[in-house]
Amino acid sequence: DIQMTQSPSSVSASVGDRVTITCRASQGISSWLAWYQQKPGKVPKVLIFSASSLQTGAPPRFSGSGSGTDFTLTISNLQPEDFATYYCLQVKGFPWTFGQGTKVEIK
Amino acid sequence: DVQLVESGGGLVQPGGSLRLSCVASRFTFSDYGMSWVRQAPGKGLEWVANIKQDGSEKYYVDSVKGRFTISRDNAKNLLYLQMNSLRAEDTAVYYCARLMPEKIDYWGQGTLVTVSS
Repeated sequence: DIQMTQSPSSVSASVGDRVTITCRASQGISSWLAWYQQKPGKVPKVLIFSASSLQTGAPPRFSGSGSGTDFTLTISNLQPEDFATYYCLQVKGFPWTFGQGTKVEIK
Repeated sequence: DVQLVESGGGLVQPGGSLRLSCVASRFTFSDYGMSWVRQAPGKGLEWVANIKQDGSEKYYVDSVKGRFTISRDNAKNLLYLQMNSLRAEDTAVYYCARLMPEKIDYWGQGTLVTVSS
């Protein structure tokens, strides 16, 4: 199975900050990675797919990079509505696996 | 916009069974693979199962293999998850989701399954 190690588990940041979240795969997954945002009590929303493609409707301050085993989600100019939990998901091989999640909190 | 509505959740005793349903609308159901994803209370997301468009291929997380069965009825736009031999650790919100090759792109609102005596 492909393990996804996501870090940090939580981060405190202020509005306007730049936040970086990483996911590391236990083996190469090419670009088969997506990033999701989940707010409390809400359904996850896809932000990035294929490691770096912005989902239609997602704000351009969200960007993704990486391939192989190391991936990054960057939130530039953090906005109040961005405080949420973020998950990566590898879709290269079964079983699909999510990272453990990163909670972005208000400093 | 795409709609996915789950039903069938509830309280069940350990060892019991439950069948979840998901009705899809506003897209051509038979054109898409589908998935179940779960989230235990206060925990992260866990992929459970996928099924291809025609139902010919199914995939499961190891922890549910032999106990859960994913299926679909394309004539009725319905996705199912038959859950047998339920355990306390299966307690979660279960989401029905639509698949694209490179992502899960739409999620239902979820249905809560509680396994407890």
